[in-house]
Amino acid sequence: KQEVTQIPAALSVPEGENLVLNCSFTDSAIYNLQWFRQDPGKGLTSLLLIQSSQREQTSGRLNASLDKSSGRSTLYIAASQPGDSATYLCAVRGSQGNLIFGKGTKLSVKP
Amino acid sequence: KAGVTQTPRYLIKTRGQQVTLSCSPISGHRSVSWYQQTPGQGLQFLFEYFSETQRNKGNFPGRFSGRQFSNSRSEMNVSTLELGDSALYLCASSFGGRTSSYEQYFGPGTRLTVT
Repeated sequence: KQEVTQIPAALSVPEGENLVLNCSFTDSAIYNLQWFRQDPGKGLTSLLLIQSSQREQTSGRLNASLDKSSGRSTLYIAASQPGDSATYLCAVRGSQGNLIFGKGTKLSVKP
Repeated sequence: KAGVTQTPRYLIKTRGQQVTLSCSPISGHRSVSWYQQTPGQGLQFLFEYFSETQRNKGNFPGRFSGRQFSNSRSEMNVSTLELGDSALYLCASSFGGRTSSYEQYFGPGTRLTVT
């Protein structure tokens, strides 16, 4: 059974810092991995999608990597801003087709 | 291009009642999935529909059901509501079915409170 773990559960950093969020999964047989952002009480916003054949994806200040063999992904956020404060969720899509989510990392960027 | 829309956004129901939630996917998307989000369990998969057929189902009791119409709009129904059904219900759409690698896009969710 696929399990997704995100570390740390919460993170507080000063504005301008570069930071890394971690995601690990137990079964390497995945179609893709998606990183999402969720603001309080809101839906999920897709940040990056990495297909199983890819090693990384970049969008603006965000870079996500995928190491399928070790069951790990990282989300790198450069030059963090207060507007980046949110919960970041990692999800893998396996053979059953549905997304399996981690519990998320709650990020707080202090001005 | 309009995103995924969900109605209603908020609902308050009493134990024992039933509720129907609606989801309209992004135009052209044929797959609709439903997820339940609670503080304790996080995001859990309910079911997925593709071309009006249920393609996959999560580990939820039979009180949770859904359907998809020919225009890809989907509804989910929860009968005999329990306090534990209080949650944010999220709908996601994508182009393809369960074997595809397409990105999933989520709606704003329906906040259901059961009293």
